[in-house]
Amino acid sequence: EVQLVQSGAEVKQPGESLRISCKGSGYSFSKYWIAWVRQMPGKGLQWMGIIYPGDSDTRYSPSFEGQVTISADESINTAYLQWSSLEASDTAIYYCARRSWDASYYFDFWGQGTLVTVSS
Amino acid sequence: QSALTQPASVSGSPGQSITLSCTITISDFGSYNYVSWYQQVPGKAPKLMIYDVTKRPSGVSHRFSGSQSGNTASLTISGVRAEDEAVYYCLSYTSRNISFGGGTQLTVL
Repeated sequence: EVQLVQSGAEVKQPGESLRISCKGSGYSFSKYWIAWVRQMPGKGLQWMGIIYPGDSDTRYSPSFEGQVTISADESINTAYLQWSSLEASDTAIYYCARRSWDASYYFDFWGQGTLVTVSS
Repeated sequence: QSALTQPASVSGSPGQSITLSCTITISDFGSYNYVSWYQQVPGKAPKLMIYDVTKRPSGVSHRFSGSQSGNTASLTISGVRAEDEAVYYCLSYTSRNISFGGGTQLTVL
């Protein structure tokens, strides 16, 4: 069974750093792209970026380039999303999602989401 | 600004057929045939309902179908049920970027 299990909720202060994780199981983790998607409170979905764990090839949405860092460790089947200095506007639920294996482009499995709250 | 435009809300009575639209507004869309649809109920992660415009993943009800005409993709729910009440998002790959539509809240009256 394919599963993406994300790390737990975080409460941080502005200016702090943070890394959240997404662990895949039930499939060959290194061979599927993993995307990160933001959902701000009461708002829609925003694609942030995507990584291929096999070679760490990473692409960012122009809206998030330079704001976050996406990485992966294929040895432990885990992808990461990190911030060096959080802002209150980073408060959101963050989802990881697996991209389809074929030439198409859709997300067939999703993590349960990680709530990040940034408040002083 | 999203490259994909969805109506904010749609409503219908149980048993009706409901169609949700997703209009690609960006002029330089590339392979917009990579349209997929996701259902999100409150407090849950999105769930894939349709991919490649018309394909349905295993386990998704046959009541859900997808189509496309010109630059507008559509998701049709036949015989809508109370359990279908959710926000539905379209997604497309355009010009090396991935865009979600703003989402449509489906209310079952």
